[in-house]
Amino acid sequence: KAGVTQTPRYLIKTRGQQVTLSCSPISGHRSVSWYQQTPGQGLQFLFEYFSETQRNKGNFPGRFSGRQFSNSRSEMNVSTLELGDSALYLCASSRDRVILNTEAFFGQGTRLTVV
Amino acid sequence: KNEVEQSPQNLTAQEGEFITINCSYSVGISALHWLQQHPGGGIVSLFMLSSGKKKHGRLIATINIQEKHSSLHITASHPRDSAVYICVAGGGGADGLTFGKGTHLIIQP
Repeated sequence: KAGVTQTPRYLIKTRGQQVTLSCSPISGHRSVSWYQQTPGQGLQFLFEYFSETQRNKGNFPGRFSGRQFSNSRSEMNVSTLELGDSALYLCASSRDRVILNTEAFFGQGTRLTVV
Repeated sequence: KNEVEQSPQNLTAQEGEFITINCSYSVGISALHWLQQHPGGGIVSLFMLSSGKKKHGRLIATINIQEKHSSLHITASHPRDSAVYICVAGGGGADGLTFGKGTHLIIQP
């Protein structure tokens, strides 16, 4: 079966712009969670969407938002980009909420560069 | 909140050596992942395991649920194995997934 697909793989944006990243989970999976990895930092939790609702959010400013569609595909949006938003953004897909210890499958990530 | 500790943080070895990377977590889980990240590249999922041992080519992952510990082994290491290896523990906190800080592995020819 198809894996988790993130698009685009690479992206360059200018400071102040906004960006939208997409994550298509494995068919049948209802949870999509998002993570950020900045240079020198580990992967940090952004938020999780389950059945079209945001269930949990990490410690990130309101410029980071997301949504989930009825087919479980999720998008995350970052507005008013800052240089510090340059990072690898990773999504994970699972059948149930990740907090319930269900198996998670990872996308390859989207590398965002803000100039 | 689950705490995930990886060791070593950095490892440099010669081609052909047997490599072991360790991961310990503080809260019981039902699934643990090992990820591989090459410089400038994306993430590759190597293993997802909940018990025992899994093998894929020269890579072997083991987990001991009682001791809350997992290891990733690389046999006959090769320079192309040079990457950051990340351990991910499922569950145990509000975040759902807790990532280790990664082990930076360099295999020299």
